[in-house]
Amino acid sequence: AQSVAQPEDQVNVAEGNPLTVKCTYSVSGNPYLFWYVQYPNRGLQFLLKYITGDNLVKGSYGFEAEFNKSQTSFHLKKPSALVSDSALYFCAVLTTGGGNKLTFGTGTQLKVEL
Amino acid sequence: GAVVSQHPSWVICKSGTSVKIECRSLDFQATTMFWYRQFPKQSLMLMATSNEGSKATYEQGVEKDKFLINHASLTLSTLTVTSAHPEDSSFYICSASLRGRETQYFGPGTRLLVL
Repeated sequence: AQSVAQPEDQVNVAEGNPLTVKCTYSVSGNPYLFWYVQYPNRGLQFLLKYITGDNLVKGSYGFEAEFNKSQTSFHLKKPSALVSDSALYFCAVLTTGGGNKLTFGTGTQLKVEL
Repeated sequence: GAVVSQHPSWVICKSGTSVKIECRSLDFQATTMFWYRQFPKQSLMLMATSNEGSKATYEQGVEKDKFLINHASLTLSTLTVTSAHPEDSSFYICSASLRGRETQYFGPGTRLLVL
């Protein structure tokens, strides 16, 4: 079964510092990986995805993610965090057979402080 | 582009009544829509997958007769919670995707409170 793990429930970072939100995956075959962000009482917003190609994927709002096959990781990064980046971040993997379903990680709460 | 709306954004109802939630893709035709449920501080749990013009496919453990899903057009899917009970209180989120495309676009969610 396809799965993703987010080992950190919460990440705290100071504004202006780089941030990393971790995600590891377990899939059979080639992974289709996604990052979404959720603000309080809102749906999810798509940030970026990895399907194939360059291991460094650039997405919305200055976020990027690095696909690392040997470490089965897909960590989300941003060079300089903003207070407005504070939100709940979800990593997800796509199950390509039987309906293109997403399986989400447990989420990581990012808190960016002044 | 790729905007998905949900209505209502929140609803309070009495136990035993039915509640309908609408999910619309505003600027694209969604061949597939998905319904999720999210409990506080938890991840999203997929309830069902809905393809336009066909019956929804429910995930294991989700009651088909309790959560009725209709996807009658390429821009609208509805979720009806029948005979709602307090344990059905949750945040319901839909998403939509284009045929053959991997990315799902999510609605803003509907918070349901059953008294």
